[in-house]
Amino acid sequence: GDSVTQMEGPVTLSEEAFLTINCTYTATGYPSLFWYVQYPGEGLQLLLKATKADDKGSNKGFEATYRKETTSFHLEKGSVQVSDSAVYFCALTNFGNEKLTFGTGTRLTIIP
Amino acid sequence: NAGVTQTPKFQVLKTGQSMTLQCAQDMNHNSMYWYRQDPGMGLRLIYYSASEGTTDKGEVPNGYNVSRLNKREFSLRLESAAPSQTSVYFCASSEQDTNQPQHFGDGTRLSIL
Repeated sequence: GDSVTQMEGPVTLSEEAFLTINCTYTATGYPSLFWYVQYPGEGLQLLLKATKADDKGSNKGFEATYRKETTSFHLEKGSVQVSDSAVYFCALTNFGNEKLTFGTGTRLTIIP
Repeated sequence: NAGVTQTPKFQVLKTGQSMTLQCAQDMNHNSMYWYRQDPGMGLRLIYYSASEGTTDKGEVPNGYNVSRLNKREFSLRLESAAPSQTSVYFCASSEQDTNQPQHFGDGTRLSIL
């Protein structure tokens, strides 16, 4: 079946550092890929998505590119802020099935 | 614009008690979902409903039942709560389109003593 593997956390960075959170997937066909963010005490919110190979999703300074050749969807941000501290989930849906398959999440803490 | 509303936000139960978690969405979505979130395990799907009147098991359905009362509401019931069901429960809804995201409620924190 489909699966998503994320880099283990927690990740701690200083403010203005460069962020990469790795995500790779296993799926048949052409899945749609998502990054969700969960702030403390809240539900998950969509951060960005990409629905076909070579698409780049972007939002709030975050970017991720759908790489079919490496089955990856790594999340990047050039300069993180304290307000980016949250848990980040990589996820996918696959053709004919809108159920999400999630990675285990990566907790990010940004220190001033 | 409420989105997905879950009640209650917090609940403490004793082993063997029953309760129903409520979820309602105002986005006219056909699909609704219940997940549980446990440390180190991400979100796991308990049940989902692709449309009013239909429900299907997800990854971890044992110990739970669901009701899709109408298009807006999807409830999750624990008939006899067990400590292993201590978790944070999230309801979500979406269009029936794999390219569209799911929209999540703020969660119910449930402790079973």
